[in-house]
Amino acid sequence: EVQLVESGGGLVQPGRSLRLSCATTGFTFDKYAMNWVRQAPGKGLEWVSGISWNSEKKDYVDSVKGRFTISRDNARNSVYLQMNSLRIEDTAMYYCTKDIIPLGFYYFDHWGQGVLVTVSS
Amino acid sequence: EVVLTQSPGTLSLSPGGRVTLSCRASQSIISNYLAWYQQKPGQAPRLLIYGASSRATGVPPRFSGSGSVRDFTLTISTLEPEDFAVYYCQQYGYTPLTFGGGTKVEIK
Repeated sequence: EVQLVESGGGLVQPGRSLRLSCATTGFTFDKYAMNWVRQAPGKGLEWVSGISWNSEKKDYVDSVKGRFTISRDNARNSVYLQMNSLRIEDTAMYYCTKDIIPLGFYYFDHWGQGVLVTVSS
Repeated sequence: EVVLTQSPGTLSLSPGGRVTLSCRASQSIISNYLAWYQQKPGQAPRLLIYGASSRATGVPPRFSGSGSVRDFTLTISTLEPEDFAVYYCQQYGYTPLTFGGGTKVEIK
């Protein structure tokens, strides 16, 4: 059974940093790209970032470019999202998602349960 | 950025009815790279459809997807009680990947 378990969320002040982690089991991690998708309270879904199987390809939505960094550790079957210079508008549930291909960013056949990030003073 | 517009915003229906949800793209979606997800309150989204019309593993046949180029549709042939949820379309032809704003299917 595929499992994605996020951690690292919480309450943080504007301008501060937070690092999200996603531990995975149940599939061959280094054969798939991984992504982060967020959902602000009561709002829709927004793709944040993706990383290819070998970390050579990374992409971000414009609103987080230069502030967020995605990475992965294939030995630990984990993907991370380093979030710096956090803004109030980054407040959301952050979902770790498994892509269906290794090299690009397509669609997501498995999702974690999400981790809540609240940016507030 | 490809903008996906879903309509209607909310549908109020009774179980047993037929549901048609719309997703329109601001530009042509290459290779029909469009997916649909279902999200219930307090849960993560679940993949229903990919490639505009292919059902994901375990998705009941009452769910079907159709469309091409800029206009796509998700149809639920006979609405079951567990189908009341929010439905999102997502395009993966271009980055940034984008989602529609969602359609809520609620019990009438």
